[in-house]
Amino acid sequence: QVQLQESGPGLVKPSQTLSLTCTVSGGSITSGDYYWSWIRQHPGKGLEWIGYIYYTGRTFYNASLKSLVTISVDTSKNQFSLKLSSVTAADTALYYCARGIVAVAGHYFDYWGQGNLVTVSS
Amino acid sequence: QSVLTQPPSVSEAPRQRVTISCSGSSSNIGNNAVNWYQQVPGKAPKLLIYYDDMLPSGASDRFSGSKSGTSASLAISGLQSEDEADYYCAAWDDSLNGPVFGGGTKLTVL
Repeated sequence: QVQLQESGPGLVKPSQTLSLTCTVSGGSITSGDYYWSWIRQHPGKGLEWIGYIYYTGRTFYNASLKSLVTISVDTSKNQFSLKLSSVTAADTALYYCARGIVAVAGHYFDYWGQGNLVTVSS
Repeated sequence: QSVLTQPPSVSEAPRQRVTISCSGSSSNIGNNAVNWYQQVPGKAPKLLIYYDDMLPSGASDRFSGSKSGTSASLAISGLQSEDEADYYCAAWDDSLNGPVFGGGTKLTVL
């Protein structure tokens, strides 16, 4: 059973960089055609895809966040990470990591982490 | 404002059947498969339906999905109190080149 677990600070100051890491267990991050993803959920709101990375390092970002987002992968640790720069209060959200399947037939997220609440405040 | 449109809430009595709609466009639902996720309060979303109408292994067959044109629906039969949750539709969007979600529908079992 694949499991994902987010880790990182729960509080970030405005204008600083939000950094989160997702540790994958129960399977290798390099196996299969999976795209390792970050998704966020603003308080009481819906879901927003941030971006994802393939184990080779190829990345895909939400165009609305692209200039501020960096997703990276560390295959030796079976982890992938999110950096979101110049954060504001609008970036306060629950951040999820998830495993994405991208195929000709379609795309979906089959495993999710528990979520990491990040509050942007001074 | 979500790319996919869902009703904010639906409610139905136990043991009844309810449907949740999801409306999109030709760049997402009209040309790509739809997925549905269930989010119980305080928990992470869970994949419920993928590729329009496919059930993940272990999922209850009380849930079913369908799609027609640029709209999709999730049906839940034999409603149980444990089905109270938020339900989200999602699909790949060719114009945005990424997955998009609906705003979510809160299901209340009366």
